[in-house]
Amino acid sequence: DAGITQSPRHKVTETGTPVTLRCHQTENHRYMYWYRQDPGHGLRLIHYSYGVKDTDKGEVSDGYSVSRSKTEDFLLTLESATSSQTSVYFCAISDRRRMNTGELFFGEGSRLTVL
Amino acid sequence: SQKIEQNSEALNIQEGKTATLTCNYTNYSPAYLQWYRQDPGRGPVFLLLIRENEKEKRKERLKVTFDTTLKQSLFHITASQPADSATYLCALGNYGQNFVFGPGTRLSVLP
Repeated sequence: DAGITQSPRHKVTETGTPVTLRCHQTENHRYMYWYRQDPGHGLRLIHYSYGVKDTDKGEVSDGYSVSRSKTEDFLLTLESATSSQTSVYFCAISDRRRMNTGELFFGEGSRLTVL
Repeated sequence: SQKIEQNSEALNIQEGKTATLTCNYTNYSPAYLQWYRQDPGRGPVFLLLIRENEKEKRKERLKVTFDTTLKQSLFHITASQPADSATYLCALGNYGQNFVFGPGTRLSVLP
């Protein structure tokens, strides 16, 4: 299994509070991603990173920010959580040099509930 | 905008039969198409990638086809087993771009 750890795995918070989810990898992969998964929508890209301090927005980035100060860590922050951000969040990594498959390796997910 | 559809939310088949899952897309011309498996409470796991110039790819009991004219990929699991029960996701990608995922099909293989 790819070395990806997400924390926390479960979190319940209240509307308006800040939340930070952490993704830690031990694979030294250049690319890291944050997705959210909701019924009927599949996986939607929030933000991604293509190197330390290099990040970009995905399809559903509003209300989220990210930071990557080290190769191994990618943080997703909800500055002021809303109920619409209740979801399961997945971190993924890839090494695009491996273009024979281009596969993404996913973490186990972080379930966030915003009350 | 691009749209990806996967045949139905859920598919039930009998053990030993061939399961066929469909991924259709519009307003997109992907260079790559991937299939992932996702078990409940787990992250997706990569299964196969097929390129636009490949018509078919096989891996053990799995077969994927990619028809760029029909804008469709078919994912087959032959001799299906209850252990194949999971949600299967297709994902489309292009050179230098991130993959976009379909909503998934939940497959149940009944003993």
